Order: sequence, then structure tokens, then C-alpha cells
Amino acid sequence: KNQVEQSPQSLIILEGKNCTLQCNYTVSPFSNLRWYKQDTGRGPVSLTIMTFSENTKSNGRYTATLDADTKQSSLHITASQLSDSASYICVVSRAAGTASKLTFGTGTRLQVTL
Amino acid sequence: DSGVTQTPKHLITATGQRVTLRCSPRSGDLSVYWYQQSLDQGLQFLIQYYNGEERAKGNILERFSAQQFPDLHSELNLSSLELGDSALYFCASSVTRTSGRTDTQYFGPGTRLTVL
Repeated sequence: KNQVEQSPQSLIILEGKNCTLQCNYTVSPFSNLRWYKQDTGRGPVSLTIMTFSENTKSNGRYTATLDADTKQSSLHITASQLSDSASYICVVSRAAGTASKLTFGTGTRLQVTL
Repeated sequence: DSGVTQTPKHLITATGQRVTLRCSPRSGDLSVYWYQQSLDQGLQFLIQYYNGEERAKGNILERFSAQQFPDLHSELNLSSLELGDSALYFCASSVTRTSGRTDTQYFGPGTRLTVL
């Protein structure tokens, strides 16, 4: 069964601290993995997209890693800011002919506090 | 602002009714995707259209249908509505290159549907 599991489910950290969110998947055949940030009540915003051959990709203070052998990914947030408070969603794309099938994780809800 | 527009922002209706949600993709994007997000649930992919044709289907109920018009805007039709259909419905668009597999999807602000 194609699944994406994220941990932790929720996380509270102090402003300025770093944190790492985890994503494990069983999706096959793997095409790519994406991390999205979703503010409450708003549409998700893409942070990174990684294909099989990419181990790491950065977008400002966000760094995603991918281990395609163990089927794990992580999203590291450096020097967190209050505006980082949001849900972070891991999405794995499964190749299916000319279309790709997306499997979404349920997200990690991050709260950054003073 | 992602460049993707969705109307209406909010919709309140009764069980058994039918509604239409509208999405205009970013200029130049040929693919449109529809997603459903129920309260405290993850995003569920419903359907993708590319340049007017259905490309991929997800967990879309038979009571739901969608289409993409020649001007590339898309509509999601929800009929025989049930209480459980209450959710945020997002539309996303992307350019879709040769395989479309690494496209960035840009999400609209969503339509919040409440079924009473």
C-alpha cells in the first residue's frame, strides 16, 4: 500500500531554535518527493522538490534531505521564526505512465513561540 | 499570491444540493488539480486535467465531476451533497513539462464548503 507517514504529529519550539521533521514513505515506484508549507486556512506553498538522484535541497532556512534507499526524508528548519508556524506536508509522487499519482502525508503542525 | 484564483471563497448549502466550484490557473499553466481537505485531515487528491483532458484520477467520488474548459479554467461539480463533503477544496495549477513529474504546483486560496 502506498503510504506517507510524518512525525512528529505536532511540535512546539522556541523562536530561534532549529527543528527537524521526518517523512517515511512506502510509495513505489518513486518519482519525486515534495515538502509543502500550509498556513492555517490557506493553500499549501511548495518548499522543495527532490527526485531520486537528489540527496539534499535548500530553500532559504529550509533544507530537505532524501534517502531513497531507506525511503526517508527530513525537513530541517534553521533559526526558526514565528512565521514558520504552520503545517508541513510531505508529498510523494508515484510514476504512473504520463501522469503522476500523489500521496500526501497528514502533516506536522509546527508552532514557534517566543 | 500564487496567481491561482478560486471562487467562491465560502459556500454554505444543504444536503442533497449541487454546487460548482471554479478555478482559474496561473497564466501559462496547462494543468489543473483539485484537492479536498477535511477538518484536521490531510489533502486528498481528487483529479487532474491537462489542457482540457483528464490526466489522473484520485479519490474522487462518483457524485463529483470536473472539467477544464478551452480557456483552461476548471470547474468542480459536487452533487447530492452530504454532511461529510464539508471541507476545503483547493485547486492547484502547474506548467506540466514533458512528463509533469517535477512540476511545482501552485495552490489557490481554496473554497470552504459547508453542508448543513
